[in-house]
Amino acid sequence: EPEVTQTPSHQVTQMGQEVILRCVPISNHLYFYWYRQILGQKVEFLVSFYNNEISEKSEIFDDQFSVERPDGSNFTLKIRSTKLEDSAMYFCASSEEQRNTEAFFGQGTRLTVV
Amino acid sequence: QKEVEQDPGPLSVPEGAIVSLNCTYSNSAFQYFMWYRQYSRKGPELLMYTYSSGNKEDGRFTAQVDKSSKYISLFIRDSQPSDSATYLCAMSTQYNFNKFYFGSGTKLNVKP
Repeated sequence: EPEVTQTPSHQVTQMGQEVILRCVPISNHLYFYWYRQILGQKVEFLVSFYNNEISEKSEIFDDQFSVERPDGSNFTLKIRSTKLEDSAMYFCASSEEQRNTEAFFGQGTRLTVV
Repeated sequence: QKEVEQDPGPLSVPEGAIVSLNCTYSNSAFQYFMWYRQYSRKGPELLMYTYSSGNKEDGRFTAQVDKSSKYISLFIRDSQPSDSATYLCAMSTQYNFNKFYFGSGTKLNVKP
């Protein structure tokens, strides 16, 4: 069964360091998303990406964040200078069509900023 | 942020019970309603989705949407220990479909 895969499963980084979270969406999917879940809080939308550009982003997704699809299969989230409050579970998701509610989520990357 | 409210539980039921999970919301523009199941240390897994109002059934699961009350429900019949997980409701509007608003999740424990 096709699935969204994320690496690494756990990333520990020092405050101020850059971090890149990686995702391989399902191969025929066209829409890609990043969500995050701070411990004990709701899953929050960060950004959606289609046709090599951002289609929607939240207030959380400021200049410290960027997304890229560098090679047609990977989808990455970069945080330029991590803060303690960036510690969270980051989920990548993908879907085949914009109005198809079947967005498949990866297992997440736990980011710990120390 | 109180757009979607969900009782966090935990909800503990005996095996075979009917489970009712609920969410309320404030934004009348929400049109798409989804239920995700999340096992510990895993990503959300889509269970059901409903567009606008009405009911939808899939096996032991039934999703209901009451837009007039801004209230959605997920019913699980003949609950199994393997149903033990956190259940998240999520919803989005027709205009920003990509942007899901999640509830906080209800933790369900089905006891054998």
